[in-house]
Amino acid sequence: GAVVSQHPSWVICKSGTSVKIECRSLDFQATTMFWYRQFPKQSLMLMATSNEGSKATYEQGVEKDKFLINHASLTLSTLTVTSAHPEDSSFYICSARRTAGEQYFGPGTRLTVT
Amino acid sequence: AQSVAQPEDQVNVAEGNPLTVKCTYSVSGNPYLFWYVQYPNRGLQFLLKYITGDNLVKGSYGFEAEFNKSQTSFHLKKPSALVSDSALYFCAVRDIRGNQFYFGTGTSLTVIP
Repeated sequence: GAVVSQHPSWVICKSGTSVKIECRSLDFQATTMFWYRQFPKQSLMLMATSNEGSKATYEQGVEKDKFLINHASLTLSTLTVTSAHPEDSSFYICSARRTAGEQYFGPGTRLTVT
Repeated sequence: AQSVAQPEDQVNVAEGNPLTVKCTYSVSGNPYLFWYVQYPNRGLQFLLKYITGDNLVKGSYGFEAEFNKSQTSFHLKKPSALVSDSALYFCAVRDIRGNQFYFGTGTSLTVIP
């Protein structure tokens, strides 16, 4: 079956620093990857959609200069939270989609900014 | 616009009893509907989906869901609940063009031993 991994699974960083989260499709090529954010006891909110080799499309209200997304290959997308603040603490989940295929979700990354 | 609603934040059911987690949808065009389960600090696990065909969809771990077009509902069901079914359940609709998901607010299911 299709597997999507995220690294790290949990990260703690200090306010003002940047942190990078990786999303990998392990056994398939993902033409499109999605990044979601989930606050405690709330639903997933789509942050951005990225296609391999092109700029990400951000949802309204998501700061693209703060949440940098790179989709440099068909198996890897990264989300970098720049100058993190405590309000950025959240659970970040990626999903990957094959060409005209199903989406598969990663296990999520818990970010805590102190 | 696509959206789903989960009217219940919390559902409690006794072990061995049937369970239902409700979902209603609003879509333009034919709906692509999904159910996912999330355990604490984990990502989403796919349970089942409805694209077309039989209105009763069977999925993982003994779950099933019934697509009801007239009531625009897609309720998740299981004949006999297990304690291990306790988790957060999300209903979702997928946008056919963009392939992005729109999730409901989630329903926390607690199965009481």
